[in-house]
Amino acid sequence: NAGVTQTPKFQVLKTGQSMTLQCAQDMNHEYMSWYRQDPGMGLRLIHYSVGAGITDQGEVPNGYNVSRSTTEDFPLRLLSAAPSQTSVYFCASFGGEGGYTFGSGTRLTVV
Amino acid sequence: GNSVTQMEGPVTLSEEAFLTINCTYTATGYPSLFWYVQYPGEGLQLLLKATKADDKGSNKGFEATYRKETTSFHLEKGSVQVSDSAVYFCALRQAAGNKLTFGGGTRVLVKP
Repeated sequence: NAGVTQTPKFQVLKTGQSMTLQCAQDMNHEYMSWYRQDPGMGLRLIHYSVGAGITDQGEVPNGYNVSRSTTEDFPLRLLSAAPSQTSVYFCASFGGEGGYTFGSGTRLTVV
Repeated sequence: GNSVTQMEGPVTLSEEAFLTINCTYTATGYPSLFWYVQYPGEGLQLLLKATKADDKGSNKGFEATYRKETTSFHLEKGSVQVSDSAVYFCALRQAAGNKLTFGGGTRVLVKP
């Protein structure tokens, strides 16, 4: 089915480790974004991209990097994980009148 | 900047009860307004939307009306079911740009 695919679904990291959360969409959407979800705080925008080769910071970008080499993929990198990055991460793409499509999320725990 | 405020949960209801979740917003211009629903273990799904003042969005028995004068977009359902148990998020998108700003979410639990 068309949509947004996130991997992995679950991950446990030790403080200081690095990892990449993968996000891929097959709807040819130009706009993609990463959110983190924390209890009582809704979803907060980390980074977003308006097209291949173009990225920008959102509300809470510190500790995260992104790149957009293709329209389909928008990986999120944690360079040195911290316990404060324990959260559920959602990738989303925007398709105009079709609205946003969200992935099923990655639950990350940093110990 | 933009912000969305929605009532804190959890909201616990009996089946067939009336549900209201309040949502107010702060934004410049005329944003589009959305309600998203998140079922346990899943991502967010669009429930309904409204793009201009006095528009009413509706889906699956849920309704919300874009009230510019009170900057509100309250979600209502006349008769909830156990399957409506989920977390509901109010969100806005500024007219210029594609960023979504979310409220904190409201957990709804419907008991048989």
